[in-house]
Amino acid sequence: EAGVTQFPSHSVIEKGQTVTLRCDPISGHDNLYWYRRVMGKEIKFLLHFVKESKQDESGMPNNRFLAERTGGTYSTLKVQPAELEDSGVYFCASSPGAGGVEQYFGPGTRLTVT
Amino acid sequence: AQKVTQAQTEISVVEKEDVTLDCVYETRDTTYYLFWYKQPPSGELVFLIRRNSFDEQNEISGRYSWNFQKSTSSFNFTITASQVVDSAVYFCAADSGAGSYQLTFGKGTKLSVIP
Repeated sequence: EAGVTQFPSHSVIEKGQTVTLRCDPISGHDNLYWYRRVMGKEIKFLLHFVKESKQDESGMPNNRFLAERTGGTYSTLKVQPAELEDSGVYFCASSPGAGGVEQYFGPGTRLTVT
Repeated sequence: AQKVTQAQTEISVVEKEDVTLDCVYETRDTTYYLFWYKQPPSGELVFLIRRNSFDEQNEISGRYSWNFQKSTSSFNFTITASQVVDSAVYFCAADSGAGSYQLTFGKGTKLSVIP
């Protein structure tokens, strides 16, 4: 069974540009999560989808971040316009259920904004 | 709100030594879940274990063991007879299990096992 995949693995963009990150969860997992790790800090929750609906987006830093999960399969996270402080590793995770169950993580996308 | 503290930023041990990674958590929830994840150099977070707040039994899986103590709010992870392949960053995390499904992570402990 394929794990969680993320694309691209690395992205380097200039401040003010737009970047879209993609996450393909494990097949059949209704729950999809985005997390971010800024250099030297903890991994922080961004948002949680159940199928195509946003269950919790309390961790989204501001309105420059837009997450979608059309059709309840893969998800995209768009940053527009990117700022220097957006640099970090963006992780996606998925789980079959929610609440107290293990989340399966992808390898992350390393975003560098220059 | 939950908080997870991993006080050890980096640890180095010589192969075959035992090593314990500390994790202290704070929560007001009566029901919660604790996790350990391993991040090898390839980058993905690999799930290792989940414990719920009602089960304080320690667990052993091969060379890995976990000590959950509610009295000290700790969920420590011990690797026995460490191997070079154990070199990774290890994260402790917590989930309230109800209402909020987000994981709260500690900062991670980087373990280096020297041959």
